[in-house]
Amino acid sequence: AQKVTQAQTEISVVEKEDVTLDCVYETRDTTYYLFWYKQPPSGELVFLIRRNSFDEQNEISGRYSWNFQKSTSSFNFTITASQVVDSAVYFCALSERRYGGSQGNLIFGKGTKLSVKP
Amino acid sequence: GAVVSQHPSRVICKSGTSVKIECRSLDFQATTMFWYRQFPKKSLMLMATSNEGSKATYEQGVEKDKFLINHASLTLSTLTVTSAHPEDSSFYICSARRRESADTQYFGPGTRLTVL
Repeated sequence: AQKVTQAQTEISVVEKEDVTLDCVYETRDTTYYLFWYKQPPSGELVFLIRRNSFDEQNEISGRYSWNFQKSTSSFNFTITASQVVDSAVYFCALSERRYGGSQGNLIFGKGTKLSVKP
Repeated sequence: GAVVSQHPSRVICKSGTSVKIECRSLDFQATTMFWYRQFPKKSLMLMATSNEGSKATYEQGVEKDKFLINHASLTLSTLTVTSAHPEDSSFYICSARRRESADTQYFGPGTRLTVL
């Protein structure tokens, strides 16, 4: 069965601290995609990144970086020098492949609420 | 960009009435649209998947007659909550997947439904 686990329910940091959000996934598919989305208090989910299962290169985008390790089935997300505007719920997701049915459905983790205090 | 809009953003209705929520992809054609429901402090639960011009595929446990989905064009999908009850109060979010970017879903801002 496909599953995404975000073990950290809530994290609180002080501004300028670095913070890592963990994501562990389970799948039997050899081809899959992993995603991170940000949900600020307004409610809209903001797409942050998509990673193909064949691409294990780490990615950096400004203060954001992602560490994808297939050996541990993890796709962790690090925010460097956190800011108050980073406060949000962050969801990790896995695309699901259903044979004979719809493809590309997302399996979401339960989310990690990040609070960055000034 | 890949912008998805939802209308209305908030709706309050009386029990027994029907509510229609629209989801539009503004700057791209969406081959597939998804409808999710999110309870407070919970993750997103997929309700149904709709492809343009065909019937929606509902997830197990989601009542088809209760949550009517229509995907009339490549830029518009609607969710109608029929005979709404207080337990239908929730945050409903749609997403759209563009033809060119496999598997990436772009989400609308959500609709907060409150049934009195």
